[in-house]
Amino acid sequence: AQSVAQPEDQVNVAEGNPLTVKCTYSVSGNPYLFWYVQYPNRGLQFLLKYITGDNLVKGSYGFEAEFNKSQTSFHLKKPSALVSDSALYFCAVRDSNRDDKIIFGKGTRLHILP
Amino acid sequence: DAGVTQSPTHLIKTRGQQVTLRCSPKSGHDTVSWYQQALGQGPQFIFQYYEEEERQRGNFPDRFSGHQFPNYSSELNVNALWLGDSALYLCASSSRRAGGSNQPQHFGDGTRLSIL
Repeated sequence: AQSVAQPEDQVNVAEGNPLTVKCTYSVSGNPYLFWYVQYPNRGLQFLLKYITGDNLVKGSYGFEAEFNKSQTSFHLKKPSALVSDSALYFCAVRDSNRDDKIIFGKGTRLHILP
Repeated sequence: DAGVTQSPTHLIKTRGQQVTLRCSPKSGHDTVSWYQQALGQGPQFIFQYYEEEERQRGNFPDRFSGHQFPNYSSELNVNALWLGDSALYLCASSSRRAGGSNQPQHFGDGTRLSIL
C-alpha cells in the first residue's frame, strides 16, 4: 500500500536561513510526488511535483525539492526563508501504477521566525 | 479563469441530519475528487468522479455518496451525520485529458462542516 510520512509536526526556522521540510514515501510502482501548501482557512495550493527526469525540482515561491530514490525521500527546501512562508505543508504521493488515488502526509507546520 | 469553487463555505448540522456539498471544477477540468480534512490532519481521499461515474473510493462508509453532472460539477452527500464527520471538506479538480495522474490537483477552499 502506498503511504507518505512527514516525520516533523513542526519546523521552526529563522528568517533568511535555509529551510527543509522532510517527506518519505512508499509505493509499489514509480512515484508521482507533490508538495502543497495550506494557509489558514484556505484550500491546498500546488507548489511543485516530481514525475520523472531531474531529481531536483523547482517550484513556486522559490521552493525546490530533491527526489532521492534510494532513500525514498522528497524533501522540500528553500535557500532563504521568508516570514510569509509560515504555513502548513503537505507532501503527497501517487503510484504511477494506480490511477489517480493520491495519498497525503499529515502535514508539517512551518514557522518562520522574524 | 475561475478556479475550483465550493459551496457553502460553512455549514452547521445536528447529528442524524443529511448534508449536500457542492463543487465546480476549474475551467477545462473533467475530474473531481473529494477529501475530508479533520483538524490537524492531512486530507483523506473520499472518492473521485470522472465521466459522471465514481472511479476510485477511499476508506469511507456508504453514508458518503456523490454525483457528477454533465458540466463536470459535483456534489458530496453525507447521510446520518455524526460528530466525527466534523471537518473541512475539500474538492479538487484535474484533467485526465491533460495527462491524468501526473498532473497536480487544484483545490477549492473547502466547506467547513460542524456537527452539533
